Amino acid sequence: DAKTTQPPSMDCAEGRAANLPCNHSTISGNEYVYWYRQIHSQGPQYIIHGLKNNETNEMASLIITEDRKSSTLILPHATLRDTAVYYCIVRVKAGGFKTIFGAGTRLFVKA
Amino acid sequence: ETGVTQSPTHLIKTRGQQVTLRCSSQSGHNTVSWYQQALGQGPQFIFQYYREEENGRGNFPPRFSGLQFPNYSSELNVNALELDDSALYLCASSLGGGDRGPQETQYFGPGTRLLVL
Repeated sequence: DAKTTQPPSMDCAEGRAANLPCNHSTISGNEYVYWYRQIHSQGPQYIIHGLKNNETNEMASLIITEDRKSSTLILPHATLRDTAVYYCIVRVKAGGFKTIFGAGTRLFVKA
Repeated sequence: ETGVTQSPTHLIKTRGQQVTLRCSSQSGHNTVSWYQQALGQGPQFIFQYYREEENGRGNFPPRFSGLQFPNYSSELNVNALELDDSALYLCASSLGGGDRGPQETQYFGPGTRLLVL
C-alpha cells in the first residue's frame, strides 16, 4: 500500500545535479513528504522533509508542487558517495504515525 | 549525542524457533518503530512503540510482538520463525510518538540481518 511512486533507477554524472522525482497523488493535507537514502543495506539515512513549501538543508533541496501531488529531491553536486537507493515516503496516521516506504530509486553516480 | 544501535548485527535461526532483536534509541527519543526489509525491497512498517505502549501496527501477524522499556529501548520478538522472515530488521527512533503528528523525523539504526534456515 505504498503511497508514492518513483522511477526504479537513474544515472547522474559526478558533479552534476541529481533530480529525483516522486509522485504522491493521494497525499492528504497533513501528510509530510520525507526523503531517505540507503547505502549498501545500511539503515536508511534521513535527508529532508517538507509539507508544502520548498525546503533546503546542507544535503539537498526539496521541491514540492503547488498541488502537492509530486515532489523532486535535488542533490546539487552529486558525488560517487551519493550512489544509493533513495526513498520518497509519506507519513500516515495509524494509531500513531507510520512510515510507508515504496521501492525507491536506485541512483548511480558515475565518474 | 548517541545514535540508534541494534543488536545483534547478524543472526541465524531455524524454522520454528523464536528470536529477540534489540534496539537502543537515540538519546532523548521516546518512540521506537520497527521495520522489516526483505532483499531488494523497501522497509515495511511492523509497529511503533511510544512510552511503552504499541501505538501503530502494520500488516504483520501476532507472532511479531514487541516491548519498549522505561529507558525507551525496545525489543522485537518473532515466534515460530518462517523462511520468509529472513530479512534486515531495522529500528528507528524519534521524539513525539505521534503527538507531533506526521512531522516526526525518524532516525534509523544499522539493522539486524536475520537468516532463517
